[in-house]
Amino acid sequence: AQTVTQSQPEMSVQEAETVTLSCTYDTSESDYYLFWYKQPPSRQMILVIRQEAYKQQNATENRFSVNFQKAAKSFSLKISDSQLGDAAMYFCAYRSSGANSKLTFGKGITLSVRP
Amino acid sequence: NAGVTQTPKFQVLKTGQSMTLQCAQDMNHEYMSWYRQDPGMGLRLIHYSVGAGITDQGEVPNGYNVSRSTTEDFPLRLLSAAPSQTSVYFCASSYSLGTEGNTIYFGEGSWLTVV
Repeated sequence: AQTVTQSQPEMSVQEAETVTLSCTYDTSESDYYLFWYKQPPSRQMILVIRQEAYKQQNATENRFSVNFQKAAKSFSLKISDSQLGDAAMYFCAYRSSGANSKLTFGKGITLSVRP
Repeated sequence: NAGVTQTPKFQVLKTGQSMTLQCAQDMNHEYMSWYRQDPGMGLRLIHYSVGAGITDQGEVPNGYNVSRSTTEDFPLRLLSAAPSQTSVYFCASSYSLGTEGNTIYFGEGSWLTVV
C-alpha cells in the first residue's frame, strides 16, 4: 500500500521569504500523480499544484513550485514570496494512475506566515 | 458551475441518532468518495464509488453506509451516530480515467458533532 509522510507538523516563514514543505512517499508503482492541497481555516480543500510522475519537469504554478525527485520518492513544495494568505494547512497526496484509484494523504503541515 | 456540493455544513447529533450527509456533483464525474478529517490524522477514506450502482469500502468504513443510484449523488449515512464519528467530512469526485491528471475535487466540508 502507498504511504505519504509529512514529517514536519509545523513551519513558519517570514512574509516575502521562501519556504519549502517536505513530503516523501512510498510506492512500488512507476506511474502515479502527486498533489499538494491547501486547507485554510475555512477548511476548504484547494488544489495548489499537481505533478505527473512520468514528467521529469517540475510543476510550477505562479509562486508555487515543486521539487520532484522520483528516485528518492520525494515531493517538496516551495512557496516563494510568501504572503499572509498562504497561512494554512498543506497536505501532500498520492494517487496511482489506475482508473478509480484512491487518494492517499499525508497528515499535513501547518504553515504560519509572520508579518 | 457548482462543482461538489455538500449539505448540511453543520450538524449536531445525539448518540444513536441517524442522519445522511448529502453530496452532489455536476461535473459528470464517475468517481466519488467520502473522507473524514480528524486532528493529526489527515484525511481518511470512508467509502468510494466508481459509478452508479457501484460502491466499495475505504480505510475507515465502519458505522457508515453509502449508495450511488445516480452519477450525480453520493449520500453518506450514519445509522447510529457515536461520539467517535465527530469529525469534518469531505465529499470528493473526479473522472475515473486520466483526464486532467486524475485530479480530485472536494466539497466544502460538513462539520458533524455527536454528543
